[in-house]
Amino acid sequence: GENVEQHPSTLSVQEGDSAVIKCTYSDSASNYFPWYKQELGKGPQLIIDIRSNVGEKKDQRIAVTLNKTAKHFSLHITETQPEDSAVYFCAASIRGGSQGNLIFGKGTKLSVKP
Amino acid sequence: NAGVMQNPRHLVRRRGQEARLRCSPMKGHSHVYWYRQLPEEGLKFMVYLQKENIIDESGMPKERFSAEFPKEGPSILRIQQVVRGDSAAYFCASSPLGSSTTDTQYFGPGTRLTVL
Repeated sequence: GENVEQHPSTLSVQEGDSAVIKCTYSDSASNYFPWYKQELGKGPQLIIDIRSNVGEKKDQRIAVTLNKTAKHFSLHITETQPEDSAVYFCAASIRGGSQGNLIFGKGTKLSVKP
Repeated sequence: NAGVMQNPRHLVRRRGQEARLRCSPMKGHSHVYWYRQLPEEGLKFMVYLQKENIIDESGMPKERFSAEFPKEGPSILRIQQVVRGDSAAYFCASSPLGSSTTDTQYFGPGTRLTVL
């Protein structure tokens, strides 16, 4: 089955710097890759997603890139702010088949220091 | 438009008791997923349901755990004879179309189960 690896497990940056989180997946059939932000005591909140027919997607300060050949995708946050501090999870799934469940990475705890 | 609702938010049970977790999907959503999150871990898929049907329960333990999504009312995740290892945060997500190419899963705030 699908396996998603996420690195780093913790990341500390200064306010205004960029942050990059990387994930790899094992199942070449996976075609949907969302990123979730989870604040303490809350549920995961979708921040951006990408499908396998696209190599890059951007939404203001957040961007995601996908390399299908290498089976890895990355989250890029520019001009980080203290409120970006949270745990970020990548996930992968196969859309269009009979399964719909997301396979999650173990998360990256991002700390943005003012 | 209310998001995914889960209750209770916190649940304390003694070993051997039953835990019932409820999830009301977003309005218009007919697909529900349950995930479990252990401390410092990612979310692990448990079960995927549509109204009155279990589509995929491959992630759910064979014993003590069951889930339903009736025609009327919320989805229920039921854990019988809880043990300390069941202590975790349980999240529900809903989507409008299931495993199509256009849907997304939206998560609720979770139920934090503590087994004493």
